[in-house]
Amino acid sequence: EAGVAQSPRYKIIEKRQSVAFWCNPISGHATLYWYQQILGQGPKLLIQFQNNGVVDDSQLPKDRFSAERLKGVDSTLKIQPAKLEDSAVYLCASSLGPSYPADTQYFGPGTRLTVL
Amino acid sequence: AQKVTQAQTEISVVEKEDVTLDCVYETRDTTYYLFWYKQPPSGELVFLIRRNSFDEQNEISGRYSWNFQKSTSSFNFTITASQVVDSAVYFCALEGETSGSRLTFGEGTQLTVNP
Repeated sequence: EAGVAQSPRYKIIEKRQSVAFWCNPISGHATLYWYQQILGQGPKLLIQFQNNGVVDDSQLPKDRFSAERLKGVDSTLKIQPAKLEDSAVYLCASSLGPSYPADTQYFGPGTRLTVL
Repeated sequence: AQKVTQAQTEISVVEKEDVTLDCVYETRDTTYYLFWYKQPPSGELVFLIRRNSFDEQNEISGRYSWNFQKSTSSFNFTITASQVVDSAVYFCALEGETSGSRLTFGEGTQLTVNP
């Protein structure tokens, strides 16, 4: 069974530029998550989708971050404009279940973003 | 509010030593789940175990074992006879019934196993 796929794996941009990350979850998983992991810290949830609807985006900086999951499968996370403090690894995860207690979340390899 | 504390930032051991990674959690929820994930240098978080709050039985899987004690709000992870391939960052995480399926992670413990 294929795991969670993410691209690109690495991205370097200048501050104030825009960037987008792509995630394809495990086949059949209804729930998709985006996490931000700053160096030396644990991952922090940015947004959670169930199918193509947003379940939780309370920690998403909505002035610059946006995400969509239009067809309930793959998802895109965008940052516009990027700031230096956005340098982090962006992890995508997916799970079968729709809500608590959700099935275990399985993570992709992440996208390492460096903002110069 | 939920919180996970991994007090050990870094641990270094020599191959074949046993090592225990500590995890202490805080939650007001009666029902919750605890997790351990491994993050090797490649960056992907690898699921290791999921435990619910009503199951305090210790679990063993090969060289890995977990000790869950509700009385001390701890969920510790022991690797027996460590190997170089165990070198990674290990995260403990909590999912409570009032947080939906949001995982709250600890800060992680960097384990280095030297040959």
